[in-house]
Amino acid sequence: EAGVVQSPRYKIIEKKQPVAFWCNPISGHNTLYWYRQNLGQGPELLIRYENEEAVDDSQLPKDRFSAERLKGVDSTLKIQPAELGDSAVYLCASSLVLAGNNEQFFGPGTRLTVL
Amino acid sequence: KQEVTQIPAALSVPEGENLVLNCSFTDSAIYNLQWFRQDPGKGLTSLLLIQSSQREQTSGRLNASLDKSSGRSTLYIAASQPGDSATYLCAVTLIFAGGTSYGKLTFGQGTILTVHP
Repeated sequence: EAGVVQSPRYKIIEKKQPVAFWCNPISGHNTLYWYRQNLGQGPELLIRYENEEAVDDSQLPKDRFSAERLKGVDSTLKIQPAELGDSAVYLCASSLVLAGNNEQFFGPGTRLTVL
Repeated sequence: KQEVTQIPAALSVPEGENLVLNCSFTDSAIYNLQWFRQDPGKGLTSLLLIQSSQREQTSGRLNASLDKSSGRSTLYIAASQPGDSATYLCAVTLIFAGGTSYGKLTFGQGTILTVHP
């Protein structure tokens, strides 16, 4: 079974440029998460989807970040315009929420460098 | 606000040693706790998941325990190997009043483990 797929794996951009990350979750997983991981830190949630609905986006900087999950499968996270402080690893995770279990599986991440 | 702390921040041991990584959390109303491994430049690999009603989980040389009332979990690695070198992260999800999972994982900062031959 394929795991969570993310692309690109690496991205280097100039500040003020736009950037987009793509995630394909594990087949059948209804919940999708975007996390950001700064160097030396644990990941922090940006947004959580249940099917197509964003049920928790309280930590998403909405002035420059946007996300979508069309058809409840793939998801795209966009930053426009990027700032130096956005340099981080962006991780996508998915889970199948069943009674008593919410194990999350992570993709390899996209390492973003903003110059 | 849930806070997760991991001790030690870094650990270096010779091959073959048994070791313990510690995780503590401030809010005991958790749904479950997950231990992950992260290799440099890679994503997170789920190692063990402990439900709030469970006391421990085992997988091969790994054993994770959970004491919800004291807000602590430990990850025990038996007979460590150089291939175990990685960052180990613990994370918890909170529980809603209705008993369902809040979903969001709150992570500690990780323990960097080095096992030298």
